Amino acid sequence: NAGVTQTPKFQVLKTGQSMTLQCAQDMNHEYMSWYRQDPGMGLRLIHYSVGAGITDQGEVPNGYNVSRSTTEDFPLRLLSAAPSQTSVYFCASRTGRTQYFGPGTRLLVL
Amino acid sequence: GIQVEQSPPDLILQEGANSTLRCNFSDSVNNLQWFHQNPWGQLINLFYIPSGTKQNGRLSATTVATERYSLLYISSSQTTDSGVYFCAVELTGGGADGLTFGKGTHLIIQP
Repeated sequence: NAGVTQTPKFQVLKTGQSMTLQCAQDMNHEYMSWYRQDPGMGLRLIHYSVGAGITDQGEVPNGYNVSRSTTEDFPLRLLSAAPSQTSVYFCASRTGRTQYFGPGTRLLVL
Repeated sequence: GIQVEQSPPDLILQEGANSTLRCNFSDSVNNLQWFHQNPWGQLINLFYIPSGTKQNGRLSATTVATERYSLLYISSSQTTDSGVYFCAVELTGGGADGLTFGKGTHLIIQP
């Protein structure tokens, strides 16, 4: 099993550009989520999904969209990037109560 | 929302020392996990421990749910233990709302 994979590892965007952060898992987990981590902070929940076709907002959803068309994939879309979205983004999947995190995507918005 | 406070924020120790990290939370939880974020940024699940005590090698954890705190013990520290340790909780009855993280304890183990 590859576990949870994320692409790209690094990305630089200009303000106003759009992009999609990819996340995939091969463990057949129903629950997936996106977090962001800012310096000196813990992780904060952006969006989550309890299964294909079902998504919901977390603590900091503004500026981000998600969809879940398959169990395996849970992409995160930035429609119009802002400097405040500079962060490290982690995707996670979960079975029972145990979370498995991807390696993260470092995003810099200029 | 639920508050999660971790202490100390920073800890510098010599190799071989023991340490205790604390996590206080403000409400009843049905899920508490400890994570280690290594210097390369990878998050590793250490324990799922909403109550009771668990041990895994040199690491152990205890959660006293009635008093709303959890402790992570690291014995005989090694340089590879360096990194940030996060406590994360989920409210009782919180459904699938996800984990709320503390700000972490940054641990540096010096050789």
